[in-house]
Amino acid sequence: GAGVSQSPRYKVAKRGQDVALRCDPISGHVSLFWYQQALGQGPEFLTYFQNEAQLDKSGLPSDRFFAERPEGSVSTLKIQRTQQEDSAVYLCASSFWTGGSGVETQYFGPGTRLLVL
Amino acid sequence: AQSVTQLDSQVPVFEEAPVELRCNYSSSVSVYLFWYVQYPNQGLQLLLKYLSGSTLVKGINGFEAEFNKSQTSFHLRKPSVHISDTAEYFCAVSESETSGSRLTFGEGTQLTVNP
Repeated sequence: GAGVSQSPRYKVAKRGQDVALRCDPISGHVSLFWYQQALGQGPEFLTYFQNEAQLDKSGLPSDRFFAERPEGSVSTLKIQRTQQEDSAVYLCASSFWTGGSGVETQYFGPGTRLLVL
Repeated sequence: AQSVTQLDSQVPVFEEAPVELRCNYSSSVSVYLFWYVQYPNQGLQLLLKYLSGSTLVKGINGFEAEFNKSQTSFHLRKPSVHISDTAEYFCAVSESETSGSRLTFGEGTQLTVNP
């Protein structure tokens, strides 16, 4: 089946604009994660959903960042009043949690590269 | 808090040579360890993972890694690399076995395989 998809793949925004980044997880995957990857760095955790519930948003860098997953499938990461330091690749990952033992394997999308001018 | 250190930011090697990419972690609890590969303009692809059991883990594309608890290391190895192995490699750790086990990544190692 299809993997995790993200759109747009590239986004250029002027400082102060709002942006919305979309993630389509693998069908049936319960868990969804957002990560931010700055240039030359490893990904850093932003937030986590289990179905439609946002269970962890401790990684969101400021209140300008907001994520939602209203129906438990597609998720949107919104950044308000973008700043230059928001320029990064935003990665979405999904996983199917069995509810038993075993660690979830996260499957990553290709990412959205955001450039704020 | 957990953390991951990848000791080499860049590793250049010649084709068909062996390679080792080093990873050390710190955590106060039991961890689960992962290696991901990232090709240009693509997402992360899982190479292998250590959950429990045998400390030698085999993954895709001929890669393997060995978990060493006493040295808190999880180094990635391949006996003979190909040009196509050129990519960024990330080591990651997770502390939880329950849903929501976020990954903490190292800063990555750029492997460049030269002809």
